[in-house]
Amino acid sequence: DQQVKQNSPSLSVQEGRISILNCDYTNSMFDYFLWYKKYPAEGPTFLISISSIKDKNEDGRFTVFLNKSAKHLSLHIVPSQPGDSAVYFCAASWSTARQLTFGSGTQLTVLP
Amino acid sequence: NAGVTQTPKFQVLKTGQSMTLQCAQDMNHNSMYWYRQDPGMGLRLIYYSASEGTTDKGEVPNGYNVSRLNKREFSLRLESAAPSQTSVYFCASTGTSGSYEQYFGPGTRLTVT
Repeated sequence: DQQVKQNSPSLSVQEGRISILNCDYTNSMFDYFLWYKKYPAEGPTFLISISSIKDKNEDGRFTVFLNKSAKHLSLHIVPSQPGDSAVYFCAASWSTARQLTFGSGTQLTVLP
Repeated sequence: NAGVTQTPKFQVLKTGQSMTLQCAQDMNHNSMYWYRQDPGMGLRLIYYSASEGTTDKGEVPNGYNVSRLNKREFSLRLESAAPSQTSVYFCASTGTSGSYEQYFGPGTRLTVT
């Protein structure tokens, strides 16, 4: 029973355009959400996060949106660059546990 | 400042062999974690240690044991390896109280034949 779901295994986008990666969750206890980026043969690296008390968080080209009523979050990358090509994982946690539950990942390919 | 380091990078075992995966962090973090990553399944938590001297099971602990040797080091042991344990293993740590962001090591690719 996957509590965090990334339904798109892959996404291709043209350089300079917007990339939108989606994530859905089922556990209403989750109150903190994170996005990680992973290159081949490397560990995941933290990208951006959002608390459940917010609906948007921005960091440079990266913006995360949270829709709590729909239990949905998305990561927007604008403009997309070839170096953004990687696997993106969303993850969720709740206050007392602080463990992370990960989605299955989306492979983003940015075409030059 | 090396962050989170893991050894070895690669390992091939025969079914029934044992081995220990090593992890160390130099960020003075309290909490450490072991994950496995399998194709199409994301990262799944095996064991974690909220602080020195404590360990707890995660989502997929069967077949594994852990030791929090000190604040820096957290090892994962496979007592009798099985082909189902073929995976990439990641260690992670997290820092100050209240922090959710985990910092990951480069991973160990383990194959059990």
